[in-house]
Amino acid sequence: SQQGEEDPQALSIQEGENATMNCSYKTSINNLQWYRQNSGRGLVHLILIRSNEREKHSGRLRVTLDTSKKSSSLLITASRAADTASYFCATGGTYKYIFGTGTRLKVLA
Amino acid sequence: ETGVTQTPRHLVMGMTNKKSLKCEQHLGHNAMYWYKQSAKKPLELMFVYNFKEQTENNSVPSRFSPECPNSSHLFLHLHTLQPEDSALYLCASSQATGLAGQETQYFGPGTRLLVL
Repeated sequence: SQQGEEDPQALSIQEGENATMNCSYKTSINNLQWYRQNSGRGLVHLILIRSNEREKHSGRLRVTLDTSKKSSSLLITASRAADTASYFCATGGTYKYIFGTGTRLKVLA
Repeated sequence: ETGVTQTPRHLVMGMTNKKSLKCEQHLGHNAMYWYKQSAKKPLELMFVYNFKEQTENNSVPSRFSPECPNSSHLFLHLHTLQPEDSALYLCASSQATGLAGQETQYFGPGTRLLVL
């Protein structure tokens, strides 16, 4: 069954604005990861947050995890046109990850 | 470059053809994965190999046949496919699968497959 579900499905913002996307999941997890995918290409790992962590930063990325609500958010600050891509959350369980359908982010120059 | 390569990048095949997708990782990882990505659907895990042994077959039809001759190479043999099998097939690798999904996966660029 599908585990991670991203929200919104699509997001369009102006360059320089912040972009926030959310991920909800159903069962308990060991960790949650965010990946990025440029059109028709492979996924690139962005950040991993473990179930005992609440917030993590990496450059312009900020990820939060609320295990009580079974949700995570990815914030991209000061967005750039190059951030245009699809973003996926993946929840880690028993030796494998389950991916959501993704949020398509478009950053307008 | 993620250290995972896939060939071919694009493939068009008829339903009676037999073809193979190849994946190679240069990261020293010991786990490799095949995923299928169709439009507007979540990424679907197909197979997992851990130290060359298949540890996961996610109810994949037998017209898809994986092969992992060593920890660096993974193949997906295709035969008598259907048009609905058209998708982006992604290969990934990670360091290990024994720690409950703790490992980051590194993805190849994918093979765009079109079945006519």
